[in-house]
Amino acid sequence: AQSVAQPEDQVNVAEGNPLTVKCTYSVSGNPYLFWYVQYPNRGLQFLLKYITGDNLVKGSYGFEAEFNKSQTSFHLKKPSALVSDSALYFCAVRVLGPGNQFYFGTGTSLTVIP
Amino acid sequence: DTGVSQNPRHKITKRGQNVTFRCDPISEHNRLYWYRQTLGQGPEFLTYFQNEAQLEKSRLLSDRFSAERPKGSFSTLEIQRTEQGDSAMYLCASSTDGYEQYFGPGTRLTVT
Repeated sequence: AQSVAQPEDQVNVAEGNPLTVKCTYSVSGNPYLFWYVQYPNRGLQFLLKYITGDNLVKGSYGFEAEFNKSQTSFHLKKPSALVSDSALYFCAVRVLGPGNQFYFGTGTSLTVIP
Repeated sequence: DTGVSQNPRHKITKRGQNVTFRCDPISEHNRLYWYRQTLGQGPEFLTYFQNEAQLEKSRLLSDRFSAERPKGSFSTLEIQRTEQGDSAMYLCASSTDGYEQYFGPGTRLTVT
C-alpha cells in the first residue's frame, strides 16, 4: 500500500533558525513527491516537487527538499525561518504509472517563534 | 481571480438529505481532483477526471457519492442520503500536468 508519514504533528523553531519538516514514504514503485502548505482559511498551495534528477529540489518562498531514496525520505528545509512561514505543511506522493492518485500525510504544524 | 473556486463555501444539512457541491477549475486545466479532509488529517483522494472522463475513483467513494464533469469544465460532487460521518471539508484541485495541483478553498459540510 502507498503511504506517506509525517512523524511530527508540531514543529517549533525560532525565527532565523533553520527548519526541517520530516516526511517518509512507502510506495511500490518510483515516487513523485510533493510538499504543500496550508495557511489558515486558505487552500493548499504547492511548494515544490521531486520527479527525477537532482535529489535537492528548490521551491517557493525559499524552501527546498531533499529526496533520499535509501531512507525513503523527502524532508522539507529552509535555511532561515520567518514568522510568516508558520502554517500547516503536507507531504504527498503520487506513484509513477497510469494512476493519478495522490496520498497525503497527516500534516505538520510549523510555528516560527519571533 | 483566476484560481479554483468552490461553491458553496459552507453547507449545513440534516442527515438523510442530498447535497451537491460545485468546483470551477482554472480554465485551461484538463485534470480535476476531489478530496475530502477531516480535522487533523491530510486530504484523502476521492476521484479524478481528465477532461470529462472520470478515470479513477477511490474505494472511499461509496455508492452515495457521485461526481460529474460535463464538457470537461466545472465539476459537481453529490452526496446522497448524507450521514454524520460525511461531515468534512471537500476540496477540489485542478492541474495541467498531473503533478502541480491548484486547490480551491474547499466546501465545509456539516451534517446534523
